[in-house]
Amino acid sequence: DAKTTQPTSMDCAEGRAANLPCNHSTISGNEYVYWYRQIHSQGPQYIIHGLKNNETNEMASLIITEDRKSSTLILPHATLRDTAVYYCIVAGGTSYGKLTFGQGTILTVHP
Amino acid sequence: SAVISQKPSRDICQRGTSLTIQCQVDSQVTMMFWYRQQPGQSLTLIATANQGSEATYESGFVIDKFPISRPNLTFSTLTVSNMSPEDSSIYLCSVEDTGGGELFFGEGSRLTVL
Repeated sequence: DAKTTQPTSMDCAEGRAANLPCNHSTISGNEYVYWYRQIHSQGPQYIIHGLKNNETNEMASLIITEDRKSSTLILPHATLRDTAVYYCIVAGGTSYGKLTFGQGTILTVHP
Repeated sequence: SAVISQKPSRDICQRGTSLTIQCQVDSQVTMMFWYRQQPGQSLTLIATANQGSEATYESGFVIDKFPISRPNLTFSTLTVSNMSPEDSSIYLCSVEDTGGGELFFGEGSRLTVL
């Protein structure tokens, strides 16, 4: 699976949009971009995934660049409960479920 | 989305003993996975639990140390054998959503080995 690069940490003010970047320059054609988050002492939570089109659900939006080498997860109105480690993962083909978690981005939402 | 229950949620064990962690899912799932999260670290896949056949282990993990059972489509167990303090971790069960590709995780079993 392709490797991803994320900033170690980010801050965001409550109520503002949180934009979390991810680089995945070695992504291959059949690999999806997945985002998960892990709130302290809990299991990881699936957020969203996409192949090449932008995606939106009730939690977040995923913007994937046209060349698919990077993406941005957008939390439109961050709350204190969004404070977590956010993982960007590239996987696909026969590797569904076999996710390679990097160190992720620690997002801190402050009042 | 699947609801996953793990038991025990936490335990403190003595060196040299073994502990079996249970994972129960509220629906039938094809793919079940076991992950480990060492203190301050990210998650690492241990193995894929296959129903009706032996588990498939990732590099660095062996069946003798982490035997896995998968008797049906809703249940799996992971045993951590002959434990040492280095096995102190959170062990997480996960399942793949049918057709969606996304994984759902249990809350994890926090294991401390003294």
